[in-house]
Amino acid sequence: GENVEQHPSTLSVQEGDSAVIKCTYSDSASNYFPWYKQELGKRPQLIIDIRSNVGEKKDQRIAVTLNKTAKHFSLHITETQPEDSAVYFCAARYTGNQFYFGTGTSLTVIP
Amino acid sequence: DVKVTQSSRYLVKRTGEKVFLECVQDMDHENMFWYRQDPGLGLRLIYFSYDVKMKEKGDIPEGYSVSREKKERFSLILESASTNQTSMYLCASSLKFGYTFGSGTRLTVV
Repeated sequence: GENVEQHPSTLSVQEGDSAVIKCTYSDSASNYFPWYKQELGKRPQLIIDIRSNVGEKKDQRIAVTLNKTAKHFSLHITETQPEDSAVYFCAARYTGNQFYFGTGTSLTVIP
Repeated sequence: DVKVTQSSRYLVKRTGEKVFLECVQDMDHENMFWYRQDPGLGLRLIYFSYDVKMKEKGDIPEGYSVSREKKERFSLILESASTNQTSMYLCASSLKFGYTFGSGTRLTVV
């Protein structure tokens, strides 16, 4: 069936460094790709999204890139801060308003 | 601010009990979803609903049922709770793009 693969499952970076999380999807019809951040004990929250008609979107320190040909998209966080530590989930919309989610990346920013 | 509210933050139930998890949204969203979240497995879709009284099975519907009698409320029912249903349950709603999630219900079945 359709799925989303997410890598890495854990990521540790020094404060100020960049972090990159990658996802691949299998449904070529997917046209919307959100990213969620889930802090410990809290709900996942949408932090950035990208639609299939653009290749890159940026919002301050976070950016998302999309390669539709290769069917992969990535989250980039620059100048990481301790408050960026969380679990990040990627998702791909595959039909109607249903999403497949990646298995999550636990990001730790070391002060 | 938009809100999705799940009635319980933590629940402990016994094996064989019937369990109701409630979710209410105040955004007039048509689409509502129930996921369970387990370490290493991410979020898996149990059931979803696009309209009142409408329901569709997700990827892991076995052992669950749902009810949507009103637009703002989507209930997840565990007909006979089992220990393998111990998990974090997340409700979400959406209009068109992206989800708004509830805070989650951590259910433990003993």
